[in-house]
Amino acid sequence: DTGVSQNPRHKITKRGQNVTFRCDPISEHNRLYWYRQTLGQGPEFLTYFQNEAQLEKSRLLSDRFSAERPKGSFSTLEIQRTEQGDSAMYLCASSSGTGNTGELFFGEGSRLTVL
Amino acid sequence: GQNIDQPTEMTATEGAIVQINCTYQTSGFNGLFWYQQHAGEAPTFLSYNVLDGLEEKGRFSSFLSRSKGYSYLLLKELQMKDSASYLCAVGSNDYKLSFGAGTTVTVRA
Repeated sequence: DTGVSQNPRHKITKRGQNVTFRCDPISEHNRLYWYRQTLGQGPEFLTYFQNEAQLEKSRLLSDRFSAERPKGSFSTLEIQRTEQGDSAMYLCASSSGTGNTGELFFGEGSRLTVL
Repeated sequence: GQNIDQPTEMTATEGAIVQINCTYQTSGFNGLFWYQQHAGEAPTFLSYNVLDGLEEKGRFSSFLSRSKGYSYLLLKELQMKDSASYLCAVGSNDYKLSFGAGTTVTVRA
């Protein structure tokens, strides 16, 4: 297994367009997380899944954002009607969630630029 | 919620030691993590403390005092490749990590 995979790595879009990011976690990991990171800041929690169940959504996640993990494997994060303030790095992470330290393994991220 | 504070920037000389402090306020504490993040790359795990005391891992050590809500990351024998952002993160009982803003460490020759 090569770790957490995210695509696309970069996305440039015009304001008002919809974008979708995909995350493939480490295969045996049942927890999957989405974070957002802007320049000079730490990752901010957006949402997370245990298997296919979405357990928590941050207040940062407006109704323009939706995340799914339909079969408990890969996940998608969709942003509708993008705004310039959505420009950020969107990080996906996974963890095994069973009897471990809770360490998160991060993907390389999907960088979104909204023009 | 979580409130995590760490210095914004630190500079040190190659071969020296740097200590990055982190203070936190949290409910449902489930461990203190340190991650390293090079510019443009994903965060990578460095250390984990859940009990008070010092954990040593090669050139890096991490300390935790739960009663004081305090941790530090100690980087010894600094190398140029250690120039990066160091993120303090607090784990909660629901297996989320909340991150501080990060400390940018610059190592100079």
